[in-house]
Amino acid sequence: DTAVSQTPKYLVTQMGNDKSIKCEQNLGHDTMYWYKQDSKKFLKIMFSYNNKELIINETVPNRFSPKSPDKAHLNLHINSLELGDSAVYFCASSQERLGSYEQYFGPGTRLTVT
Amino acid sequence: SQQGEEDPQALSIQEGENATMNCSYKTSINNLQWYRQNSGRGLVHLILIRSNEREKHSGRLRVTLDTSKKSSSLLITASRAADTASYFCATGRGRGGTASKLTFGTGTRLQVTL
Repeated sequence: DTAVSQTPKYLVTQMGNDKSIKCEQNLGHDTMYWYKQDSKKFLKIMFSYNNKELIINETVPNRFSPKSPDKAHLNLHINSLELGDSAVYFCASSQERLGSYEQYFGPGTRLTVT
Repeated sequence: SQQGEEDPQALSIQEGENATMNCSYKTSINNLQWYRQNSGRGLVHLILIRSNEREKHSGRLRVTLDTSKKSSSLLITASRAADTASYFCATGRGRGGTASKLTFGTGTRLQVTL
């Protein structure tokens, strides 16, 4: 069974559209993350939720809004997509409560904005 | 500024040889982790070393940490073609920072040829 899953795997859309990426983890972890990996493979954290509460919110445009309906899900909604949003977005999870900081990553969602 | 810088950016070796990658960082850390990313896939956690540890082993992997020099190295012994991937170091903050908030390095692309 997949530990951290993301949908969709690929997303091609036009500038100005609104899109969502979904993430689910079945590991029972209490913390989930969204990362953005650019074309140079640089990986940067965007958001982190612990038990549905936002704990990390990096300098990300307001067009990006995470939503955590429960501990196992963290979705990312992007409004008014721009060309610069094209990247691979990764979801990850960890069990921070036990001091375990290893993160488990999803397969990624490749977003292409045209 | 970016936390982790890795060296070399790319490494090409033959199967059976050892591969060494280095990571340097700038601020105090709680932990340092190494991840592998195969082309087009998500990141896979390899090993975590805490700031009070100096060396750690896992199978063919050996990680060292020198907090005085703010550097770490990852050694892969007896490399295999399947080890071909990008390797990233990531640091979790210390001293009031969020240990689970990882800052990733630029990555080393390892190519293992037959």
